[in-house]
Amino acid sequence: QVQLQESGPGLVKPSQTLSLTCTVSGGSINSGGYYWSWIRQHPGKGLEWIGYIYNTGSSYYNPSLKSRASISRDTSKNQFSLKLSSVTAADTAVYYCARHGSMYAFDIWGQGTMVTVSS
Amino acid sequence: ELVLTQSPGTLSLSPGERATLSCRASQSVRSSYLAWYRQRPGQAPRLLIYGASSRATGIPDRFSGSGSGTDFTLTISRLEPEDFAVYYCQQYSGSAWTFGQGSKVEI
Repeated sequence: QVQLQESGPGLVKPSQTLSLTCTVSGGSINSGGYYWSWIRQHPGKGLEWIGYIYNTGSSYYNPSLKSRASISRDTSKNQFSLKLSSVTAADTAVYYCARHGSMYAFDIWGQGTMVTVSS
Repeated sequence: ELVLTQSPGTLSLSPGERATLSCRASQSVRSSYLAWYRQRPGQAPRLLIYGASSRATGIPDRFSGSGSGTDFTLTISRLEPEDFAVYYCQQYSGSAWTFGQGSKVEI
């Protein structure tokens, strides 16, 4: 079955760029009909959708992030990645990658990775 | 932006009891785009219900969803130990997803 696994630095300095990668196994990110998203959860708080990339390479983002987010993919590695620029302490969160299909609900999630923004 | 408000914030129940959780939207939500998740401590959310009332793969029938428009409900008919967790509703509209703030079901 399809599995997702996040990876990346657990500590990022303020004003720098946060970079995370999601590796997909058991399926291809080129599969039609699926969207690949990043979602975050601030400590002890709710969930915030960041953005997605589709198998065509098109992407869409949460307007609240004010163009700081960028999602790309590497089809040769079956991975998709998140870059979040100009981070502050408010970007400290657990970051999840997730998949959704035509039901517009996230049916598969990675285990999540904690990212702390601190000098 | 469409806001989802969940209630109650915390529900204290015993195993075997029935739990009823509410999700109210600030404007009408297309039922096809309303989902529910369960999140246990230290774990990722797990999809329970999509399309307001359809159970996701592998989800037992003690979980049911209902509602339309601005009011949606998740019902757990008989609480199992693993159901003591936080539950989130989620909607999709305007090319974006938003989640409710969560409801905690505690023993």
